Amino acid sequence: AQSVTQLDSHVSVSEGTPVLLRCNYSSSYSPSLFWYVQHPNKGLQLLLKYTSAATLVKGINGFEAEFKKSETSFHLTKPSAHMSDAAEYFCVVSDPRAGNNRKLIWGLGTSLAVNP
Amino acid sequence: DTGVSQDPRHKITKRGQNVTFRCDPISEHNRLYWYRQTLGQGPEFLTYFQNEAQLEKSRLLSDRFSAERPKGSFSTLEIQRTEQGDSAMYLCASSLYFPGRIVETQYFGPGTRLLVL
Repeated sequence: AQSVTQLDSHVSVSEGTPVLLRCNYSSSYSPSLFWYVQHPNKGLQLLLKYTSAATLVKGINGFEAEFKKSETSFHLTKPSAHMSDAAEYFCVVSDPRAGNNRKLIWGLGTSLAVNP
Repeated sequence: DTGVSQDPRHKITKRGQNVTFRCDPISEHNRLYWYRQTLGQGPEFLTYFQNEAQLEKSRLLSDRFSAERPKGSFSTLEIQRTEQGDSAMYLCASSLYFPGRIVETQYFGPGTRLLVL
């Protein structure tokens, strides 16, 4: 069975400092992995996705994530946090083999606070 | 930009009333998903369509919930006899699926926030 664990429920950083949001997954097969961001009272926006083409994935707004199979991790990073990055971040796994249904398995989310 | 749209954005209703939400997917997308999200949680899958066919329903989708996608374009989600526990954000997503596609990316709408009093 697939699962995804976001290791921190809350992360607080100062503006201009690096961001690290941690995600570990469990999957019997090579999964598809995504990071979504949700700003308060807004819908979910795709930040980036891992498709097995490259282990380092660049997304929007300066975010990137590295797929590490040996560590079963897909951590999200950004070199320098901006106030507008304050939001909820979800790590998501999808099993391409899951028959005809591409359900997403969601982490519980990490709330990122950015302090001035 | 014709992303996924949802209507209404907010709905307040009294317990026992029926409510209906609408989702308009990205126009070329053949799959449409409904999720429910409560505060502090990730989205929970409810159901999905491929074109007009409803291919799967979660056990979360009680008999009071019904979803349709009659022409394979927009979809409606109806909740009958609403209960306070139905209060949540209802999210719609769409994607383009074809056989052999390795990664299917779902694009989300802004959601409909439901409050049942």
